[in-house]
Amino acid sequence: QVQLVESGGDVVQPGRSLRLSCAASGFTFSTHGMHWVRQAPGKGLEWVAVIGSDERTQYYADSVMGRFTLFRDNSKNTVDLQMNSLRTEDSAVYYCARELSWGNWYFDLWGRGTLVSVSS
Amino acid sequence: EIVMTQSPATLSVSPGERATLSCTASQSVSSKLAWYQQKPGQAPRLLIYDASTRATGIPDRFSGSGSGTEFTLAISSLQSEDIAVYYCQQDNKRPPITFGQGTRLEIK
Repeated sequence: QVQLVESGGDVVQPGRSLRLSCAASGFTFSTHGMHWVRQAPGKGLEWVAVIGSDERTQYYADSVMGRFTLFRDNSKNTVDLQMNSLRTEDSAVYYCARELSWGNWYFDLWGRGTLVSVSS
Repeated sequence: EIVMTQSPATLSVSPGERATLSCTASQSVSSKLAWYQQKPGQAPRLLIYDASTRATGIPDRFSGSGSGTEFTLAISSLQSEDIAVYYCQQDNKRPPITFGQGTRLEIK
């Protein structure tokens, strides 16, 4: 079954860290760039970060640059988002999403999301 | 950063009628535009990419058009299962890719 499954969401205090994980199955994971997109409660979609199929290429939204880091393991078909120095404005559902094809940052496969709540 | 603006914020359409949603980019994105559908409690679903190409499994009542800064998503005959929030997304100048704020489609 072709799917992405996120995990790791939790309630954390501002300034703390959290690591999200996305497990892929049913497709050739190593050939796709992988992204994280978040959605604050009742709000729209915000792109967070991307890691290329080769792991070397990474880009981050300005709002998370220097605080969030992506890790990818093509042998385990996983991509992790390490989130440090969390802020209240980071509270959102975090979705893992697959690139449609190389070079296109359109997302044809999404996970169900994992909820991160940053609150004191 | 390219700003994507969608209109209207909410659209009410009768079943069987045509729905037309708009998306405007703050600068040209060529044809590098996608549309997504998001139902309550679900992840977004890719409908259209490259402005007019339907994604796999998307019914042909969904169509996309436009280029440059002005884009349209049309649903030819609205069905109850089409009730959702629709987002546009540009992929011409990135990072970052950017999404519109969404149009909520309701049944009249």
